[in-house]
Amino acid sequence: EIVMTQSPGTLSVSPGERATLSCRASQSVSSNLAWYQQKPGQAPRLLIYGASTRAADIPARFSASGSGTEFTLTISSLQSEDFAVYYCQQYNHWPRYTFGQGTKLEI
Amino acid sequence: QVQLVESGGGVVQPGRSLRLSCAASGFNFNSFGMHWIRQAPGKGLEWVSIIWYDGNNKYYADSVKGRFTISRDNSKNTLYLQMNSLRADDTAVYYCVRDGRAVADYWGQGTLVTVSS
Repeated sequence: EIVMTQSPGTLSVSPGERATLSCRASQSVSSNLAWYQQKPGQAPRLLIYGASTRAADIPARFSASGSGTEFTLTISSLQSEDFAVYYCQQYNHWPRYTFGQGTKLEI
Repeated sequence: QVQLVESGGGVVQPGRSLRLSCAASGFNFNSFGMHWIRQAPGKGLEWVSIIWYDGNNKYYADSVKGRFTISRDNSKNTLYLQMNSLRADDTAVYYCVRDGRAVADYWGQGTLVTVSS
């Protein structure tokens, strides 16, 4: 099983600042990596797929990069609605998805 | 717009059974594979099962294999999860999720299953 490890566990930032979240895979997942945002009491929402492609209706302040085992999600100029938990997920071993443990983005 | 609405969750005793349903709308249900993904309270996400668009292939996480059965009725645009021999560690919110060319692109709002005596 591919293990996904996210860092940091919690990231404290201020509105308007930039946030950088990391995700590492225990083995290469190529570019088969997605990022999700989850707010309290809500389902996860797809942000990024293919390691760097924004999903429909996702603002341009969300960007992502990486391939192989190292991935990054960057949120430029944080808005209040961006404070949430973010998960990375590999689908290289589809259909057996594995998720990271999440990074909580807090004020 | 794509809508996935789960139902069937509740409180159930260990060892008992429960069946979850997911009503799909806003897309051609019979053209997409579908997943169940769960999230224990305060925890991360765990993939549970997938069924092919035509129902001909199904895969399960090791943690539920032999106890859970995924199925679908394309004439009713509905996905199911039959859960037998439930255990306390099956307690979670269960999400119905569309497979968009290997990406989990649309999620339902989830239904809570609590296994407790």
